[in-house]
Amino acid sequence: DTAVSQTPKYLVTQMGNDKSIKCEQNLGHDTMYWYKQDSKKFLKIMFSYNNKELIINETVPNRFSPKSPDKAHLNLHINSLELGDSAVYFCASSQDGTLGKLFFGSGTQLSVL
Amino acid sequence: QQQVKQSPQSLIVQKGGISIINCAYENTAFDYFPWYQQFPGKGPALLIAIRPDVSEKKEGRFTISFNKSAKQFSLHIMDSQPGDSATYFCAASPGGATNKLIFGTGTLLAVQP
Repeated sequence: DTAVSQTPKYLVTQMGNDKSIKCEQNLGHDTMYWYKQDSKKFLKIMFSYNNKELIINETVPNRFSPKSPDKAHLNLHINSLELGDSAVYFCASSQDGTLGKLFFGSGTQLSVL
Repeated sequence: QQQVKQSPQSLIVQKGGISIINCAYENTAFDYFPWYQQFPGKGPALLIAIRPDVSEKKEGRFTISFNKSAKQFSLHIMDSQPGDSATYFCAASPGGATNKLIFGTGTLLAVQP
């Protein structure tokens, strides 16, 4: 019954590997996001999709590629993982991109060794 | 101009006391100011939000005070409870745009019993 669910909860991997994080929302929202929270808990937007269309792409390395197969799903694929990619990645959604509240998932703790 | 500065970084309050967290912004285009609450292992959740046409908004024990001329806003938690112990983030965006939400650096609140 979770509104915004993301998997996996924890992801431990070696440098250089490729990994994906999946996100699904059952709220019927049009807009989905990926946020990165670093070790100091700073939250920064990475991407925003509205109805499967990329709206925001903050200065994120090309190794990060979001994919939205439909408006209820937004996955994040990361190539050639680096130590600095270690962080908590949050998926979020909102009714639209213009007003109102963000609903966040519980996060994926990514540890790159 | 896109920054939202938040203080203090951490705060310890006795049960029943008042917790006060402050934020300041530079961008005069910002006109939507939410506060998010984050518990360990969870995503942030919207607590309360304000627009600059009012100077104060209260919801239960939580109050936002807004000073447009000073470009500052603050969260007051009255009768603080141990269950309020969490990280609090202020945020701001222009036009209420959730896809342009800029977060503060967070305040870790600990309410001691």
